[in-house]
Formats: sequence, structure tokens, C-alpha cells
Amino acid sequence: NAGVTQTPKFQVLKTGQSMTLQCAQDMNHEYMSWYRQDPGMGLRLIHYSVGAGITDQGEVPNGYNVSRSTTEDFPLRLLSAAPSQTSVYFCASSLLGGGGNEQYFGPGTRLTVT
Amino acid sequence: GNSVTQMEGPVTLSEEAFLTINCTYTATGYPSLFWYVQYPGEGLQLLLKATKADDKGSNKGFEATYRKETTSFHLEKGSVQVSDSAVYFCALSDPVSGAGSYQLTFGKGTKLSVIP
Repeated sequence: NAGVTQTPKFQVLKTGQSMTLQCAQDMNHEYMSWYRQDPGMGLRLIHYSVGAGITDQGEVPNGYNVSRSTTEDFPLRLLSAAPSQTSVYFCASSLLGGGGNEQYFGPGTRLTVT
Repeated sequence: GNSVTQMEGPVTLSEEAFLTINCTYTATGYPSLFWYVQYPGEGLQLLLKATKADDKGSNKGFEATYRKETTSFHLEKGSVQVSDSAVYFCALSDPVSGAGSYQLTFGKGTKLSVIP
């Protein structure tokens, strides 16, 4: 199993550009989520999904869109990049069923917006 | 709402020293508690977890006990190694009803550096 994969690993955007961060998992996990990690802030939840066709907002959803057309894939779209979106983005997945399940994290995408 | 507070870093220790990283939480229900570790340039990986009061999670010499009375989940290791240098995150998931019950709430992270 590859686990959770993310592409690209690094990305530089100009303000106003759009892009999609890719996330895929091969563990047949129902739950998938996106976090951003900023210095001194820990990880904050952007969006999450409990299955194909179902998504919901997390703590910091503004400026981001998601969709879940398959169990495996959960792309994150930046609509119009802003310098405040400079961050490291992590995708994670887990089984459903009680809240005590381990979440598996991808290696991250480091995004810089100039 | 839910929150996790962990001790500020960075923490620098000599090899074979004793490690404690404090973590306290606030939750509306009966959460599961986790410690995740992030090695340089990598994603997070689960270190240990506990799903109910008085449970002890352990892995790779690290331990943490779920203390409901003090709402704490402190991470300890008796003898740290250089290879333990990483950022450690305390987190909780609160199994209240609804799809959001699987969300992890993280502390801000504690950077540990172990010197030979």
C-alpha cells in the first residue's frame, strides 16, 4: 500500500492564481480531511469528507473548495491564491467508527504564494 | 468548543534524559486522545493513543495516561535518544454525534531536540 499520497510536494503561486492540491489514499478509508500547518498554530482543519459525495467545512474553509467523487481521491482547490494561504498542507484519512481510529497523514505540500 | 493546550517549546535535552511534555484538553464529550510525531520534512504519524479514562497508551518507549480528573494526557519517556528529535503534537477527537466527530483538534506542537 502507498498509504496517503499528495502532489505536488512544493508549489509557488502568484497572488490570484488557482490550483489544485491532489490527495489519494489506497486504504479504502471513508474519512478524508485537509489540514494546514502554520508556525506556532498546530494543524487546523480546512475541509473533511465522510464518504464519496459528502463534504463539510472545518475550522478554516474560506478560500478553499473540495469535492469527493471517489473514495480514493480528495482534491483541495485554491480558488484565488492569497499570501495568507502560504502554508504546509496535509491530507489525512481514516476509517469511520468511533473517533478513536488512527488518522494517516500524507507527506505534505509546501505552498508559497507571492 | 474543544481545545488542546501543550507546553511551549522548544525543548532541548541531553541523550538519556527523562522527557515530559504536558498536554491538557477541553472537550464537550468523552474524547479519544492522541500523540502524533512529525519528523523533519515528513507528515505526522501516530505515536500512541488512549480512548477512555485511565487507559495508558505506549509505543517506542513513550507513554501517556488518560487522566479524566485532571483532563490531561502528558507524554513521557524515560531515556530519550537523538533519533527522538521531532515535533510532538497532542490531539483529541470528540465522539459527539454527527460527521464532525472524527475531527482532530491539535495542540500547537512541541519541538524536541536531543543532543548527544
